[in-house]
Amino acid sequence: AQKVTQAQTEISVVEKEDVTLDCVYETRDTTYYLFWYKQPPSGELVFLIRRNSFDEQNEISGRYSWNFQKSTSSFNFTITASQVVDSAVYFCALSWAGNMLTFGGGTRLMVKP
Amino acid sequence: DADVTQTPRNRITKTGKRIMLECSQTKGHDRMYWYRQDPGLGLRLIYYSFDVKDINKGEISDGYSVSRQAQAKFSLSLESAIPNQTALYFCATSDGDRMITDTQYFGPGTRLTVL
Repeated sequence: AQKVTQAQTEISVVEKEDVTLDCVYETRDTTYYLFWYKQPPSGELVFLIRRNSFDEQNEISGRYSWNFQKSTSSFNFTITASQVVDSAVYFCALSWAGNMLTFGGGTRLMVKP
Repeated sequence: DADVTQTPRNRITKTGKRIMLECSQTKGHDRMYWYRQDPGLGLRLIYYSFDVKDINKGEISDGYSVSRQAQAKFSLSLESAIPNQTALYFCATSDGDRMITDTQYFGPGTRLTVL
């Protein structure tokens, strides 16, 4: 069975600090995809990244970076120099059966000025 | 205009009432999904549809039904609402043309309160 664990339910940092959100997953599939979504206070879900299981290269997009390690079944998300606008709930998700998603419980990030 | 829209955005109803949540998309995607979000539980799949004639139950379908009226429209119904169906409901779509896992794009959500 697929499972996604986001052990950090809530993180609070001060603006300009770096912060890493952890995501650990379980799957028996050899081919799968991992996703991160952002849910700002307004409530919508914003897609951030999709990564397939064959591509373990880290990815950087501006202040955001993602570290995928199959050996530890982790797909962690780092925000460098956090800003107040980064305050949101972040969800990690794992695909299965081709197009189904299993979500983690989410991590609420609060960035204080 | 938003690619995925949901109506209503907010709804308060009473126990036992029938309620319908609607989802429309202009992305031209074949696949549509309904999820509910509860605090600490992330999003859980209620129903999904890979085309107009294909409807499938998800993880938590009890107490819900759906209708795929067209490629662009997917409705979720609560036949007899109960308080533990109070949640944030999301519709999502994805492109079904390719043999890889496509990204799901979400609507703005419907906040439903059952009193």
